[in-house]
Amino acid sequence: DGGITQSPKYLFRKEGQNVTLSCEQNLNHDAMYWYRQDPGQGLRLIYYSQIVNDFQKGDIAEGYSVSREKKESFPLTVTSAQKNPTAFYLCASSMDQGGNQPQHFGDGTRLSIL
Amino acid sequence: GENVEQHPSTLSVQEGDSAVIKCTYSDSASNYFPWYKQELGKGPQLIIDIRSNVGEKKDQRIAVTLNKTAKHFSLHITETQPEDSAVYFCAGSSNTGKLIFGQGTTLQVKP
Repeated sequence: DGGITQSPKYLFRKEGQNVTLSCEQNLNHDAMYWYRQDPGQGLRLIYYSQIVNDFQKGDIAEGYSVSREKKESFPLTVTSAQKNPTAFYLCASSMDQGGNQPQHFGDGTRLSIL
Repeated sequence: GENVEQHPSTLSVQEGDSAVIKCTYSDSASNYFPWYKQELGKGPQLIIDIRSNVGEKKDQRIAVTLNKTAKHFSLHITETQPEDSAVYFCAGSSNTGKLIFGQGTTLQVKP
């Protein structure tokens, strides 16, 4: 089946630790996105990538980093600089870099602080 | 800046009734408007979308209308069922390759 796979489903972070969330897609999509979802705040864009080896900051990029070395993979690292990382993280992809294509979402990773 | 406002934040209807969720957008260049349904613990799923060259689109019990002049669009669900209970998000395109999402509406359909 084609789709987006996020792992792990649940993740716990200790103080001062960096953690990496995985996102893989087999839809052959060029563009990929990371969102953070907090209760009552909708989806906020962290980073997005329109093509391999290129990515741009979204609205809340501070404390996060990404890489896009392969078309199908867009991992997100939550660094120790992110002081409030507890949230539901969603990865998405779309066919091309335009804003007028549907985005397809994975089932998320829930990150909590130990 | 770019903004999408969504109302209401919560909506409770009786099974079989209709539900309407409304969104307004600020960017006059927006030309693509998807709607997503998110069930608990899952990612959002696209349920219907509309482009700026049409005013209405229907798919079985759901429909979306778009008023470009007023810069608002709405989701209509008819004959609601308990399985329609979820959080619904609207979104509008931007010319920077991003979608701008509304804040979400929690729909509860009471049996």
